[in-house]
Amino acid sequence: DGGITQSPKYLFRKEGQNVTLSCEQNLNHDAMYWYRQDPGQGLRLIYYSQIVNDFQKGDIAEGYSVSREKKESFPLTVTSAQKNPTAFYLCASSGNTGYGQPQHFGDGTRLSIL
Amino acid sequence: GESVGLHLPTLSVQEGDNSIINCAYSNSASDYFIWYKQESGKGPQFIIDIRSNMDKRQGQRVTVLLNKTVKHLSLQIAATQPGDSAVYFCAEMQRPGGYQKVTFGTGTKLQVIP
Repeated sequence: DGGITQSPKYLFRKEGQNVTLSCEQNLNHDAMYWYRQDPGQGLRLIYYSQIVNDFQKGDIAEGYSVSREKKESFPLTVTSAQKNPTAFYLCASSGNTGYGQPQHFGDGTRLSIL
Repeated sequence: GESVGLHLPTLSVQEGDNSIINCAYSNSASDYFIWYKQESGKGPQFIIDIRSNMDKRQGQRVTVLLNKTVKHLSLQIAATQPGDSAVYFCAEMQRPGGYQKVTFGTGTKLQVIP
């Protein structure tokens, strides 16, 4: 089945540590996105990529980094500079067949501080 | 995940009744709208979408209504079932400068009473 796979499902970070969240899609989508979800808030965009080897900052990029070396993969690194990393992280992708394509989401990674 | 539903408005509906979930969107330039369903511990799941040149669209047991005059979107679920219990949120999309900008609502929690 085509879809988006995020791993791990749960992740714990120690002080000063960088952690990387994995996102893989087999939908052949060009665009991929990372969102952060906090209780009572709408999804907030961290980074997005519309094509391989290119990505752009979203609304809350500080303390995060990404790479897009392959079409299928868009890993997110939460760096030690992100002082409040505890959240539910969602990866999404969308097709590139014109404007107005829904984003499809993975099942998320819940990151907590040890 | 589990904490997504905290602090959200809640709609309680008897099983078999119809549900209506409302969403006020913010940007008059938005021209594409999506409803998502998010179950506890999972990523958002696409339900139905509608473009601004329409005011109604029907799917299987779901109908989306769009009122551009008052910037209001609603999701109607017919014959609500226990499996419909989840958080529902809307998303609006614009295309400033060629990039697809999506803004997500905070969501409504639907509780189905058996």
